[in-house]
Amino acid sequence: EVQLVQSGAEVKKPGESLRISCKGSGYSFTSYWISWVRQMPGKGLEWMGRIDPSDSYTNYSPSFQGHVTISADKSISTAYLQWSSLKASDTAMYYCARASDWFDPWGQGTLVTVSS
Amino acid sequence: QSALTQPASVSGSPGQSITISCTGTSSDVGGYNYVSWYQQHPGKAPKLMIYDVSNRPSGVSNRFSGSKSGNTASLTISGLQAEDEADYYCSSYTSSSFFGTGTKVTVL
Repeated sequence: EVQLVQSGAEVKKPGESLRISCKGSGYSFTSYWISWVRQMPGKGLEWMGRIDPSDSYTNYSPSFQGHVTISADKSISTAYLQWSSLKASDTAMYYCARASDWFDPWGQGTLVTVSS
Repeated sequence: QSALTQPASVSGSPGQSITISCTGTSSDVGGYNYVSWYQQHPGKAPKLMIYDVSNRPSGVSNRFSGSKSGNTASLTISGLQAEDEADYYCSSYTSSSFFGTGTKVTVL
């Protein structure tokens, strides 16, 4: 079964750093992109960017370029989404998804709450 | 690029058919056959329902179908059932990806 399992919920303070993870299994991890998608409370889906785990090439949405970093460790079939300095506006659910021109499957989501 | 435009809500009675539109431009929806659709129930992760405009993944009901005309893609749900009540998002892929604004489907 193709599966993406994400790390657990996080509660952070503004200015703190954070890295969340997404571990793939059941398929060749280097054969597909991994994308990250944000969903703010009560809002729609926003594509953040993607990574090719085979060579760590990344492609970001202009809306997120410079605000987050996407990385991957193909040796452990895991992709990451990282912030160096969180803001309250980063509070959201974050999903990873195996990606081609479609997204399937999706991880279960990681809820990030940023509050002082 | 802006998000693709979808109606905020669509409703129908059980057994009816409904269609959700997804309007982009000639640079995204109209220019490529890379439109996909996702169903999201409250508190759950999205699920792929249609890819490459009109293809259904294994396990997705044949009550779901997709099409495209010009810069507008459409998702049709036939034989509407209570379990179809959810949010639906389209997505277009070019050199990057974009989602639609989302449509809440209500089964009356």
